[in-house]
Amino acid sequence: NAGVTQTPKFQVLKTGQSMTLQCAQDMNHNSMYWYRQDPGMGLRLIYYSASEGTTDKGEVPNGYNVSRLNKREFSLRLESAAPSQTSVYFCASSGRTALAFFGQGTRLTVV
Amino acid sequence: GESVGLHLPTLSVQEGDNSIINCAYSNSASDYFIWYKQESGKGPQFIIDIRSNMDKRQGQRVTVLLNKTVKHLSLQIAATQPGDSAVYFCAEDDRMDSSYKLIFGSGTRLLVRP
Repeated sequence: NAGVTQTPKFQVLKTGQSMTLQCAQDMNHNSMYWYRQDPGMGLRLIYYSASEGTTDKGEVPNGYNVSRLNKREFSLRLESAAPSQTSVYFCASSGRTALAFFGQGTRLTVV
Repeated sequence: GESVGLHLPTLSVQEGDNSIINCAYSNSASDYFIWYKQESGKGPQFIIDIRSNMDKRQGQRVTVLLNKTVKHLSLQIAATQPGDSAVYFCAEDDRMDSSYKLIFGSGTRLLVRP
């Protein structure tokens, strides 16, 4: 089992460009999450999906959109990237409890 | 919303000593807590968890203590090793509704001196 897989691992964008971060899990988990982690800080929840077909805002949703494509996949889209969105993005999934398993992260730089 | 915080941003310990990492939480309704370890360049990894109906839970070289009276969590690492060097986060299950989601503290960096 690969667990939670994120692509790409690294990305550099120019201000105003758009991109989609991909996430897939093979643990048959219902819930999936997107977090961002700024240097020297903890993780902040951007969006989450409690089950296939539902999505909800987390602590810092502005500037992002998400799609729960199916039970396995949960994508995060930046429509118009800004330097403030430079961060490391983590996708996670959980089953019947809040215990979340994380991917290896996507390091995004917006210049 | 309510958040989880940590007292010490950096903890330096001698190899072989015990480490104690502390965490304060503010949501008295939280009933599930998790400690994660994050090594440089990697995603957070589960270490140990505890439910609010317990005061203590032990794993391999790690123990989590929960004091609900003062809303405090601690992670104890016995015989700290160089491989324990990482950032440690506590997280609580923010049960605002029926869904599960974790709220993280800011983290403590553990440095192990040889």
